[in-house]
Amino acid sequence: DAMVIQNPRYQVTQFGKPVTLSCSQTLNHNVMYWYQQKSSQAPKLLFHYYDKDFNNEADTPDNFQSRRPNTSFCFLDIRSPGLGDAAMYLCATAGALGNQPQHFGDGTRLSIL
Amino acid sequence: DQQVKQNSPSLSVQEGRISILNCDYTNSMFDYFLWYKKYPAEGPTFLISISSIKDKNEDGRFTVFLNKSAKHLSLHIVPSQPGDSAVYFCAARVSGSARQLTFGSGTQLTVLP
Repeated sequence: DAMVIQNPRYQVTQFGKPVTLSCSQTLNHNVMYWYQQKSSQAPKLLFHYYDKDFNNEADTPDNFQSRRPNTSFCFLDIRSPGLGDAAMYLCATAGALGNQPQHFGDGTRLSIL
Repeated sequence: DQQVKQNSPSLSVQEGRISILNCDYTNSMFDYFLWYKKYPAEGPTFLISISSIKDKNEDGRFTVFLNKSAKHLSLHIVPSQPGDSAVYFCAARVSGSARQLTFGSGTQLTVLP
């Protein structure tokens, strides 16, 4: 089945230790998104790629970076995680044409020790 | 500034009855609206959408209504089933915005058997 896969499902890291979250898709979608979701809050868009074009949200901290080496993969790098970065991180994809919904992965739950 | 609001954090409904989930928005540029369902430990799953040129869209037990003048949309589930128990997010998009979605904070629906 075509899908969006996030690895790992759960990630624990130490305060200040860099961490990378991974997302892959088999939908061949042009657009890939990273969201941060904290408990009982709306998912918050961090950035998105339209093909290779990177688009950062204005309020996304510099601590968060992303890479998209090819159509299928996208990575979220947190350079120096703080306690406030503990959250669910959701990856989503969407096609470029018409009114198409975003398709989400199951997320990575990040904990900071 | 929350552009998409779901004012009810939770809703309980008896099995077989109608569930009505509400969503309000402030940005008149939104032209496409979606509902997502989220089970614990899973990513949001697309449920149903509506374009701003319509005021109703129906898919089986799910109907979404859009009232542009009131900047309000609602999701009706008839009849409600215990498997519908989940968090429901409404989301909205501005035309030409690379399909970036703005999400509400969600409503936890519990369908009681």
